[in-house]
Amino acid sequence: GAGVSQTPSNKVTEKGKYVELRCDPISGHTALYWYRQSLGQGPEFLIYFQGTGAADDSGLPNDRFFAVRPEGSVSTLKIQRTERGDSAVYLCASSLGGGGTEAFFGQGTRLTVV
Amino acid sequence: GIQVEQSPPDLILQEGANSTLRCNFSDSVNNLQWFHQNPWGQLINLFYIPSGTKQNGRLSATTVATERYSLLYISSSQTTDSGVYFCAGGSGGSNYKLTFGKGTLLTVNP
Repeated sequence: GAGVSQTPSNKVTEKGKYVELRCDPISGHTALYWYRQSLGQGPEFLIYFQGTGAADDSGLPNDRFFAVRPEGSVSTLKIQRTERGDSAVYLCASSLGGGGTEAFFGQGTRLTVV
Repeated sequence: GIQVEQSPPDLILQEGANSTLRCNFSDSVNNLQWFHQNPWGQLINLFYIPSGTKQNGRLSATTVATERYSLLYISSSQTTDSGVYFCAGGSGGSNYKLTFGKGTLLTVNP
């Protein structure tokens, strides 16, 4: 597609529920990233995929968070047993290659845990 | 990881004024981007500038990698320039991992 696409735009869920957030990167981009942005802060790195594999998941806050990219294109961020502290905007980005090439961001998914 | 400090945190301008935003890094970076976050939360790419100087219309940016800082210049500001400006850097072999500053909130009044 023309840009990075994320769905849904907004998600409200109850504490303890499971959620999935989807990212469709720019066509041909091999690198994909997830970031999380809390109110008043800059985005924080969560995970980096090169192709199908998670090359760096050091930013995932705990084992309730997991992400996949099974065919090297679309990625899903999965959050189990959601907590109110998980409320944030989840941003996805992609770049043509890894190694510090220019990243382009989607519009984000605003997750609210009530 | 690296630390990123942006200044000023807030800036209020009259339309037509010029401004300079600064970004300091705690370590040398080999990946650096400037973004504008619009009111809907979308991060708009302004510059990919690990070193050197680039210009795009009324905006320009300079990165002095050896001194660990980057500057974003906005000339003849317009109300549509309002929003949060972020710089983000990556270093070494993990330069794919962007560390963002806290941003500069720019308000341009008519």
